[in-house]
Amino acid sequence: EIVLTQSPDTLSLSPGERATLSCRASQNISILLAWYQQRPGQAPRLLIWDASNRATGVPARFSGSGSETDFILTVSSLEPEDSAVYYCQQRRDWHLTFGGGTKVEIK
Amino acid sequence: QLQLRESGPGLVKPSETLSLACTVSGVSISSTHYYWAWVRQPPGKGPEWIGTLYDSGRTNYNPFLQSRVTISVDTSKNQFFLSVTSVTAADTAIYYCVKHLTIGASRYNFFDPWGQGTRVTVSS
Repeated sequence: EIVLTQSPDTLSLSPGERATLSCRASQNISILLAWYQQRPGQAPRLLIWDASNRATGVPARFSGSGSETDFILTVSSLEPEDSAVYYCQQRRDWHLTFGGGTKVEIK
Repeated sequence: QLQLRESGPGLVKPSETLSLACTVSGVSISSTHYYWAWVRQPPGKGPEWIGTLYDSGRTNYNPFLQSRVTISVDTSKNQFFLSVTSVTAADTAIYYCVKHLTIGASRYNFFDPWGQGTRVTVSS
């Protein structure tokens, strides 16, 4: 099983600030990683696939980078609606796994 | 527009079988373009992939759940189903039906879109 570790657990930032979220894989997963956003009371929504590709309709302020074991999700300028929990997920192994999430709070 | 909607009992007794249905609208579930899956999310935790139904009818399950899980399909009703046997409190979660990401003719083992989810509690 590939374990994904996300950090920090919580990020508290003001509107307009830059958010940097980390996801570390327990082994090399190439670029086979996605990021999801889950707002309170909603289902997760795909943001980024294969490390850096924005999903349809995702604002340009969201970007992904990284490869092998270290990945970053960046929100360039936070909006109030970005308050959510963000999860990473790998597809390198057929046993698909998610990280534990990072909560982004908007002050 | 493709939509997924879960249905089933919200309360299941320990040791019994959890059964859920996912109704797909906007596309034919039997299309060769699509893979379908179930994902669950225990309270306060990250999502957990349960299993996938491929267009061939083949299935693939999370190895930690494989002995208790079955995913099946009824193409005439445009539905697919989840069965989890011998449930315990650890199976309490929000259960989502999802489609694998499709880009052109390629299918990826990521999930988009998701249904709204259905909450299932295991308790006597």
